[in-house]
Amino acid sequence: DAKTTQPPSMDCAEGRAANLPCNHSTISGNEYVYWYRQIHSQGPQYIIHGLKNNETNEMASLIITEDRKSSTLILPHATLRDTAVYYCIVRVGDGGSQGNLIFGKGTKLSVKP
Amino acid sequence: DGGITQSPKYLFRKEGQNVTLSCEQNLNHDAMYWYRQDPGQGLRLIYYSQIVNDFQKGDIAEGYSVSREKKESFPLTVTSAQKNPTAFYLCASTPSWVGGYTFGSGTRLTVV
Repeated sequence: DAKTTQPPSMDCAEGRAANLPCNHSTISGNEYVYWYRQIHSQGPQYIIHGLKNNETNEMASLIITEDRKSSTLILPHATLRDTAVYYCIVRVGDGGSQGNLIFGKGTKLSVKP
Repeated sequence: DGGITQSPKYLFRKEGQNVTLSCEQNLNHDAMYWYRQDPGQGLRLIYYSQIVNDFQKGDIAEGYSVSREKKESFPLTVTSAQKNPTAFYLCASTPSWVGGYTFGSGTRLTVV
């Protein structure tokens, strides 16, 4: 079973920030939080990942709470092309070995004009 | 450009037939993975391979087989023993350190 909990769906107005929450209350100290998104009938796309500190890249920002039990993915200026299913995943395994991704059902984000 | 290529994009199979899905990557990634996705569901792990000539079963390996004779290639065979093979199949790879997975564009298999 997935180790994360996400709302099944969210709406966001185009141009506004989309904030996608994720709970991972049983996360271990050496597990990373990963975010992927999947546009209909395509392969998932990597967005960002983090361990403890907040992270930012050209696609999004990842905010992880101090106790690491939850995180938020932020798309600063959502566009219609950001409409997708967003998966929050805790990576099984330690940092030195391969960990398999366990996907839940994710959050379906609908960006509306 | 580096990436993962899955072929074919659409595949139709008659009941009782084996069929092989291709996955090739030129990213020099060590690990490769096969996932299955059913409508409205998340991805479920079928098999994975961390190095050449080695692979492990995932959560739903029954009715599937794989091989990893080359670093670049990780083909998946859907055998007649798989009772419900109609699904969207995704291949992924990752380097040997912590980092993002790269996914292929998927193969949609339909049993007719």
